[in-house]
Amino acid sequence: EIVLTQSPGTLSLSPGERVTLSCRASQSVRISYLAWYQQKPGQAPRLLIYGASSRATGIPDRFSGSGSGTDFTLTISRLEPEDFAVYFCQQYGSSPVTFGQGTKVEIK
Amino acid sequence: EVQLLESGGGLVQPGGSLRLSCAASGFTFSSYGMAWVRQVPGKGLERVSTISGSGDRTYYADSVKGRFTITRDNSKNTLDLQMNSLRAEDTAVYYCAKPGSCSGGTCSWFFDLWGRGTLVTVSS
Repeated sequence: EIVLTQSPGTLSLSPGERVTLSCRASQSVRISYLAWYQQKPGQAPRLLIYGASSRATGIPDRFSGSGSGTDFTLTISRLEPEDFAVYFCQQYGSSPVTFGQGTKVEIK
Repeated sequence: EVQLLESGGGLVQPGGSLRLSCAASGFTFSSYGMAWVRQVPGKGLERVSTISGSGDRTYYADSVKGRFTITRDNSKNTLDLQMNSLRAEDTAVYYCAKPGSCSGGTCSWFFDLWGRGTLVTVSS
């Protein structure tokens, strides 16, 4: 099973700042099958990125994903008030699919 | 409107049973495998079970194998999860989720559509 480790656990930031979230896999993720989700309290996760770098439908271009192999990154170029949430990564290249434990982006 | 709507959660005693249902709309349900994903409140996510579009292939996480059964009815656009021998560690919000793409019976198991979730609490 591929273990995904996200860092940091919590980020305290201000609107307008640039954010970089890390997701590290215990083994190489096949064909960069890595997704990112945003989750707000009381809501289901929302798909942001799939295939490591492809934005899902309707996702603003301030969100971008990059990486390959074992190291992946989600970048938010400029934090908007609605971006404060928990972010999860997920690998779906190997069974079982697995999720990271999440990074919380909170208002400073 | 494209949506998934779960029902059936609630409080159940350890060892008890519960059946979750998910009603799908707005897309060609039979063309997609479907999944149940759970989340312990405040914690991470776990894919519990999947079923192929035709219903002939299923997958279960080791944590639920032998206790949970996933089924679907393509005539009604519904997905079910029968949960037996429930344990305290099964307590979670259960989401019905649609994979991002399926082709030729093979799906890419990232999830582009989620239901609102239904809470299952296993406690005496």
